[in-house]
Amino acid sequence: GESVGLHLPTLSVQEGDNSIINCAYSNSASDYFIWYKQESGKGPQFIIDIRSNMDKRQGQRVTVLLNKTVKHLSLQIAATQPGDSAVYFCAENQVSGDQFYFGTGTSLTVIP
Amino acid sequence: DGGITQSPKYLFRKEGQNVTLSCEQNLNHDAMYWYRQDPGQGLRLIYYSQIVNDFQKGDIAEGYSVSREKKESFPLTVTSAQKNPTAFYLCASEGASNEKLFFGSGTQLSVL
Repeated sequence: GESVGLHLPTLSVQEGDNSIINCAYSNSASDYFIWYKQESGKGPQFIIDIRSNMDKRQGQRVTVLLNKTVKHLSLQIAATQPGDSAVYFCAENQVSGDQFYFGTGTSLTVIP
Repeated sequence: DGGITQSPKYLFRKEGQNVTLSCEQNLNHDAMYWYRQDPGQGLRLIYYSQIVNDFQKGDIAEGYSVSREKKESFPLTVTSAQKNPTAFYLCASEGASNEKLFFGSGTQLSVL
């Protein structure tokens, strides 16, 4: 399944399928991006980050893709598990900036 | 929680009362942040501090105050001037400029 974070805030996938969560950013000067996972009632947990000199970065079961031309960021989760159910949001920053800017998030539900 | 401790987990405020949320970190990070999270919305920056004895207003500082007397501590006071304080408050720290944020577990503030 695929979700655009700002227009479709919920995503349901079957256990074992791959998930794709999208994020559109607005500041062309942003050069550092992070994906966070937040479970209900808890603080956000770092998943993976990427800098603007890269197009792709892989972690354990997760891949982040950055398309600077259209200012788009995506998070791919392979073989989605029930424990992946959470809200996922992206954050952007720039070298000269003092603060991060956060997306509204996408709620991922994994169906067993 | 990545070495950041927020307390209490739940807090209730009576009308006209000031309440203080605690945030302590043992990561030796210079920068600390306070965010407010409302349902269905992205994180909004209240205050941040890049160094001891210095702090700056974020996007929604009205009705809040902070102090940074020690590197490890960045308490947030929600004053009676904040008319809609019910929210989930998150504290974060950053080890170096343009690096990922580490978040605490959050404090849920409600109004009695």
